[in-house]
Amino acid sequence: AQKVTQAQTEISVVEKEDVTLDCVYETRDTTYYLFWYKQPPSGELVFLIRRNSFDEQNEISGRYSWNFQKSTSSFNFTITASQVVDSAVYFCALSKVYNFNKFYFGSGTKLNVKP
Amino acid sequence: NAGVTQTPKFQVLKTGQSMTLQCAQDMNHNSMYWYRQDPGMGLRLIYYSASEGTTDKGEVPNGYNVSRLNKREFSLRLESAAPSQTSVYFCASKSKRTNVNTEAFFGQGTRLTVV
Repeated sequence: AQKVTQAQTEISVVEKEDVTLDCVYETRDTTYYLFWYKQPPSGELVFLIRRNSFDEQNEISGRYSWNFQKSTSSFNFTITASQVVDSAVYFCALSKVYNFNKFYFGSGTKLNVKP
Repeated sequence: NAGVTQTPKFQVLKTGQSMTLQCAQDMNHNSMYWYRQDPGMGLRLIYYSASEGTTDKGEVPNGYNVSRLNKREFSLRLESAAPSQTSVYFCASKSKRTNVNTEAFFGQGTRLTVV
């Protein structure tokens, strides 16, 4: 069975603080994809990153970085020097590789960045 | 580039009424999905269509029907709306190729209220 857990329901930080959003997943597959999506207050879902389970290298994109650790089944997302525009709900998701017609989403973490 | 377009954006129904949510994508994607988003539960898959002419149940299909009209369009129908179907509905699509664009692209969502 596939499952994604985002234990942090809501996080509040002050602008310029660093914040890490946790994502823990369960799967019996040896190969899979992991994703992060952002849902700003306007409601749309914005794709942020896709990671193949073969590749455990961490990734950095500007103020965003992702830490993928297969040993702990985690795919955590860190925002450095947070900004008010980062306020959103962030979803972690998992999909199979060879039958990737289904995404399994976590329940989301609401991030509030205060000025 | 319209991407994934959903109509309507908002809808209020009375219990027992029927309606169809429309979704169209212009990215030549094979796979299309319908999700519902409820507070604290993330996104749950209602139905999906792996390719034109096929549809399959997701996690929460009861009370819904779908039609994959052609490669571009995937509609979701509520035959007899119930208050439990009050939710935000998202349509998504993605390419079936494993090496390209395996992330899903989402529409803007439809906020449905059943009274």
